[in-house]
Amino acid sequence: DAGITQSPRHKVTETGTPVTLRCHQTENHRYMYWYRQDPGHGLRLIHYSYGVKDTDKGEVSDGYSVSRSKTEDFLLTLESATSSQTSVYFCAISGSGGPGDTQYFGPGTRLTVL
Amino acid sequence: QKEVEQDPGPLSVPEGAIVSLNCTYSNSAFQYFMWYRQYSRKGPELLMYTYSSGNKEDGRFTAQVDKSSKYISLFIRDSQPSDSATYLCAMTSSRFYAGGTSYGKLTFGQGTILTVHP
Repeated sequence: DAGITQSPRHKVTETGTPVTLRCHQTENHRYMYWYRQDPGHGLRLIHYSYGVKDTDKGEVSDGYSVSRSKTEDFLLTLESATSSQTSVYFCAISGSGGPGDTQYFGPGTRLTVL
Repeated sequence: QKEVEQDPGPLSVPEGAIVSLNCTYSNSAFQYFMWYRQYSRKGPELLMYTYSSGNKEDGRFTAQVDKSSKYISLFIRDSQPSDSATYLCAMTSSRFYAGGTSYGKLTFGQGTILTVHP
């Protein structure tokens, strides 16, 4: 999985609690992304980062925040988890962010919000 | 209407069959087209990448892009049980947006679940 780890791999939480997911890479890639995958929707971009402390919103960013204080770590926080945020979350990385640049995906985190 | 439409299947074929997977899209700015393969409980991995229109072949896999019809296809020849996976099309444009780049913003199809049975 191209030197990408995600933690935790599985989490069950309750509505209203904050949740933080971590993505860690050992490839020294500049770009990092958070996606969610849901049946019928494919993969949708939540937030992405184009450098340390540089982040931007994707298409489904409401209810999520991110932080990147180091090149290797990209954190996704659900400020107050809701049942609609039950999903599988994938982190991805790429070197240049260019349109032809390959994105490498992590193994995913399966989150259930009760 | 979604920017990228992909028949979710599921698609079940016998070993050795030719498989055709397809996506249609509405955004004429898309120029880069990819196919990702995702095994159960794993992250997607890039399978094929094509720029603009035309064909690209890699072993048993052929990717086709028809920009005039806004239609892309992935063909798998001599399909194997190990090809059983979800296949996702993805595409992006080269348009740049201030404050960051839009380059990495892939738009994915919903994915097609393929099963190749022995």
